[in-house]
Amino acid sequence: GAVVSQHPSWVICKSGTSVKIECRSLDFQATTMFWYRQFPKQSLMLMATSNEGSKATYEQGVEKDKFLINHASLTLSTLTVTSAHPEDSSFYICSARPSGLNYEQYFGPGTRLTVT
Amino acid sequence: DAKTTQPPSMDCAEGRAANLPCNHSTISGNEYVYWYRQIHSQGPQYIIHGLKNNETNEMASLIITEDRKSSTLILPHATLRDTAVYYCIVRHSGGGADGLTFGKGTHLIIQP
Repeated sequence: GAVVSQHPSWVICKSGTSVKIECRSLDFQATTMFWYRQFPKQSLMLMATSNEGSKATYEQGVEKDKFLINHASLTLSTLTVTSAHPEDSSFYICSARPSGLNYEQYFGPGTRLTVT
Repeated sequence: DAKTTQPPSMDCAEGRAANLPCNHSTISGNEYVYWYRQIHSQGPQYIIHGLKNNETNEMASLIITEDRKSSTLILPHATLRDTAVYYCIVRHSGGGADGLTFGKGTHLIIQP
């Protein structure tokens, strides 16, 4: 149980275009989902916290107008990278916290974004 | 959440026990110690967590010192598939509402 999927697993897009990444909790409902970013040889950095039915909370330094987050259901959150640039190339990882539990987060497999 | 300190890398022979240390000297009374690992190009995987008692599950054992200022993750019989970056994270019991703060972790390399 507690499986989180991400789609796509990798994507290549051209500079200036937008790309959407999906995060799904497959066998549980998740009131809260988190989005992380990981650059090569670095650790994961929290980008934003996504709560179902409300606006996402972004970490300091993360542009909310560039990284659009939608958490419209208890099993799906999406991250849209708008007007992508090469410096946005990174490994994007989501995690989901089952509703009703305080401490567990389950991570997706990640999405590799390359902007050319 | 309290800060943690881990060695940047460790080697361990396949089949031997891998002991990964973590210092968390500023941990407070209601903070748990969590361990995750990340295999290359994958999402992190939860391993184990504890408050003050030693814990064991099918993946690993967690030994927490009596003063709770440090802990050790033990992989009893390491395999090549255990090669990964291991993260020690300290967080409040209700901290599931917050995203995780990952440090640099320990890159564990299992040698054949």
